[in-house]
Amino acid sequence: QKEVEQNSGPLSVPEGAIASLNCTYSDRGSQSFFWYRQYSGKSPELIMSIYSNGDKEDGRFTAQLNKASQYVSLLIRDSQPSDSATYLCAVNRLGSYIPTFGRGTSLIVHP
Amino acid sequence: DAGVTQSPTHLIKTRGQQVTLRCSPKSGHDTVSWYQQALGQGPQFIFQYYEEEERQRGNFPDRFSGHQFPNYSSELNVNALLLGDSALYLCASSLAGSNEQFFGPGTRLTVL
Repeated sequence: QKEVEQNSGPLSVPEGAIASLNCTYSDRGSQSFFWYRQYSGKSPELIMSIYSNGDKEDGRFTAQLNKASQYVSLLIRDSQPSDSATYLCAVNRLGSYIPTFGRGTSLIVHP
Repeated sequence: DAGVTQSPTHLIKTRGQQVTLRCSPKSGHDTVSWYQQALGQGPQFIFQYYEEEERQRGNFPDRFSGHQFPNYSSELNVNALLLGDSALYLCASSLAGSNEQFFGPGTRLTVL
C-alpha cells in the first residue's frame, strides 16, 4: 500500500461544476495535510493546508479532513478552465517536516 | 517579496557527467529541501538542509549530494549521471518548524 494514494484521473468536469479530488493515506500518525496545484511543465503551488478534522474553506476551495477514515479531499466550487491542472496531495507524519506526495490527480475543466 | 529561485531552467548532460543545480530560498526562509519529480509522478524527497547541515535524507544514492551556504541558498550535485536521473528537480523553501513548503520553478534535467 502506498503511503499517499490518489486517483491519477483524469477527472473531467464542466465549467461551473464542483470538482471533488480525493486522497487517502496510510500512516495514522499523520498530522499535516496539503494540496498543491501543478500546471503542466510548472512547479507545485501550495493552495491549501489543513491540520484538524473538518472543513477549511478558502475562496472557491474547501479542504476536508477525516483522520478516522485517513481521508482528505479538496473541493473546487464553480470550476473554471484555468483550474485544469494536476492536484497533488501531500501528508506529513507526526514530527516530520518532510511531506510525502501522492502522484497527483489530473483535473480537466471543459467549457 | 522574492520567491524561490532556481538555476538553470534546463540542462542537458550525458551519462557519467556531473551536474550542479542551484536554489535561493524565499526571503525569510532558512530551510531548503530538494525533490526529484519524474513525469507523471509526485515529487520524491531527496534531502533537506537547515543551518548548513543535511537534516534529513530520502532514499537516494550517495551520488546525490548537497550543500547549504550561510545565506541559506543551496546546491544539489549529482555525480555519474544515469539516464534515469532525467527529471524535474524542485527546490522548496520553508521556515524552520513549519510544514509549509514553497517550490521554485524547477530545473529540467535531461540525461542523454
